[in-house]
Amino acid sequence: DADVTQTPRNRITKTGKRIMLECSQTKGHDRMYWYRQDPGLGLRLIYYSFDVKDINKGEISDGYSVSRQAQAKFSLSLESAIPNQTALYFCATSGDRTYNEQFFGPGTRLTVL
Amino acid sequence: RKEVEQDPGPFNVPEGATVAFNCTYSNSASQSFFWYRQDCRKEPKLLMSVYSSGNEDGRFTAQLNRASQYISLLIRDSKLSDSATYLCVVSSTSGTYKYIFGTGTRLKVLA
Repeated sequence: DADVTQTPRNRITKTGKRIMLECSQTKGHDRMYWYRQDPGLGLRLIYYSFDVKDINKGEISDGYSVSRQAQAKFSLSLESAIPNQTALYFCATSGDRTYNEQFFGPGTRLTVL
Repeated sequence: RKEVEQDPGPFNVPEGATVAFNCTYSNSASQSFFWYRQDCRKEPKLLMSVYSSGNEDGRFTAQLNRASQYISLLIRDSKLSDSATYLCVVSSTSGTYKYIFGTGTRLKVLA
């Protein structure tokens, strides 16, 4: 079984809809992250959480919110989806040190029409 | 200027060739450095961390030059399976936590 899972894997939605992307991990890590990837822009950090009670904005948090329901679960919500939020979204986890690698989920491909 | 910059490529090389990628970063307080590999439409996976003294893992060698603020990745004896996008990552915790990905360099190894 994969250590980091994301649901759904693909989603098409319409402008204005609320959508939630979910991430679960079995690695026992405290730190979790949400990124989006766009062609030519690379991976950009949306939100990160260093433990259940800690939530921080990343580089591009506008239009997004998150919930850390448990150590193993971190959800990303788009309150009112817009077409420029069409992207590939990745969840990741890591250990507690700056030099720890990040382990990524398989990604969610989101299309907003 | 972007905090982490990479040549997007693509680098098209024949099998068996040696190829090198550079990645420059702007924050002199950066503490940790990494190379990730990403296959098309897949998640990034760590290829190797980059240590101050340089490090090697099989056909892959990573170097760090703090004075000039760049890291490099050398791939020797390229294989078809090395075709992928290589992402450099620069991390720091001075002030705000940062784990910045470059936009990636695309490598195609040709038969």
